[in-house]
Amino acid sequence: NAGVTQTPKFQVLKTGQSMTLQCAQDMNHEYMSWYRQDPGMGLRLIHYSVGAGITDQGEVPNGYNVSRSTTEDFPLRLLSAAPSQTSVYFCASSVGTLFYEQYFGPGTRLTVT
Amino acid sequence: AQKITQTQPGMFVQEKEAVTLDCTYDTSDPSYGLFWYKQPSSGEMIFLIYQGSYDQQNATEGRYSLNFQKARKSANLVISASQLGDSAMYFCATRGNNAGNMLTFGGGTRLMVKP
Repeated sequence: NAGVTQTPKFQVLKTGQSMTLQCAQDMNHEYMSWYRQDPGMGLRLIHYSVGAGITDQGEVPNGYNVSRSTTEDFPLRLLSAAPSQTSVYFCASSVGTLFYEQYFGPGTRLTVT
Repeated sequence: AQKITQTQPGMFVQEKEAVTLDCTYDTSDPSYGLFWYKQPSSGEMIFLIYQGSYDQQNATEGRYSLNFQKARKSANLVISASQLGDSAMYFCATRGNNAGNMLTFGGGTRLMVKP
């Protein structure tokens, strides 16, 4: 099992550009989520999905879109990049909810200039 | 909504000694899970240990144990016999009945192990 994979590892964007961060998991997990981590802080939830075709907003959803067409994939789209979106982005998945750990991908370090 | 507080931004511990990292949480959910993650300088998030709100006994995983005091809403991580490789950021997190039951994180504690 590869676990949770993310691409790219690093990305530099100019203000106003759009891009998609890719996330895939091969563990057949229903629950997937995207977090961002700003310097010196904990992770904050952007969007999440409880199954294919179902997505919802987390704590900091503005400027991002997600979709979940398959169980395996959960891409995160930045619509028009802003310097405030400079951060490290983590995708995570879990088999269940309250009492199950989330498995994290290696992260994508995004810089917006 | 849940809130996690980690009051120790940074800590030092001597190699081979034990260390306790503090975590308090605020939730009105009747059921929730408590988690600790380690983030080394390489950046990945590594799951360490889990405690369910209904669990009577404190969780243990190797050198890690979770000191769960439900009435005080605290879930401290104890690392025994610290090793140099334990130097990292440590995050306490909870999953409860909000936002799809996803994780809510504290601000983290940076642990530095001295040789």
